[in-house]
Amino acid sequence: EIIMTQSPATLSVSPGERATLSCRASQSVSSNLAWYQQKPGQAPRLLIYGASTRASGIPDRISGSGSGTEFTLTISSLQSEDFAVYYCQQYNNWPQLTFGGGTKVEI
Amino acid sequence: QVRLVESGGGVVQPGRSLRLSCAASGFLFSSYAVHWVRQAPGKGLEWVAAISYDGSNQYYAESVKGRFTISRDNSKNTLYLQVNSLRPEDTAVYYCARAVFGVSIDYWGQGTLVTVSS
Repeated sequence: EIIMTQSPATLSVSPGERATLSCRASQSVSSNLAWYQQKPGQAPRLLIYGASTRASGIPDRISGSGSGTEFTLTISSLQSEDFAVYYCQQYNNWPQLTFGGGTKVEI
Repeated sequence: QVRLVESGGGVVQPGRSLRLSCAASGFLFSSYAVHWVRQAPGKGLEWVAAISYDGSNQYYAESVKGRFTISRDNSKNTLYLQVNSLRPEDTAVYYCARAVFGVSIDYWGQGTLVTVSS
């Protein structure tokens, strides 16, 4: 089983600041990595797939990078609507998926 | 637009069973693999099961193998999850989700809550 580890668990930032979230895989997942955003009481929303491709409707202040075992999600200038929990997920073992434990981005 | 609507959750005693359903609309259901993903209260996301577009292949997390069964009826645009021998640790919101090869999950339902308690 591929284990996904996210850090930090909580990230405290101010609106307008840059946020950098990390995700590490226990073995290579190539570029088969997605990022999701989840707000309280809501289902997750796809942000990034293929490690760096933005999903439809996702603003360009949100970007993903990395390959193999190390990945990063960057939000260049945090807006109020960006405060949420973010999950990475590998799909290299398709269709068996593994999620990271999440990073909460808070004020 | 793509819509996934789960139903069938509720409060159930340990050892009992439930069948969860997910009604799909807004896309050609029979062309997509679909998944169940769950989230325990205050916890992260856990993949549970997946089924191929035609129902010929099913996949399960080790934690539910032998107790849960995923199935689909493409004539009714509906996904199912039969959950048996429920345990307190199965308490979670269960989401159904559409998947695309090379993209992973692109749409999620709003979830249905299963609470296992005596």
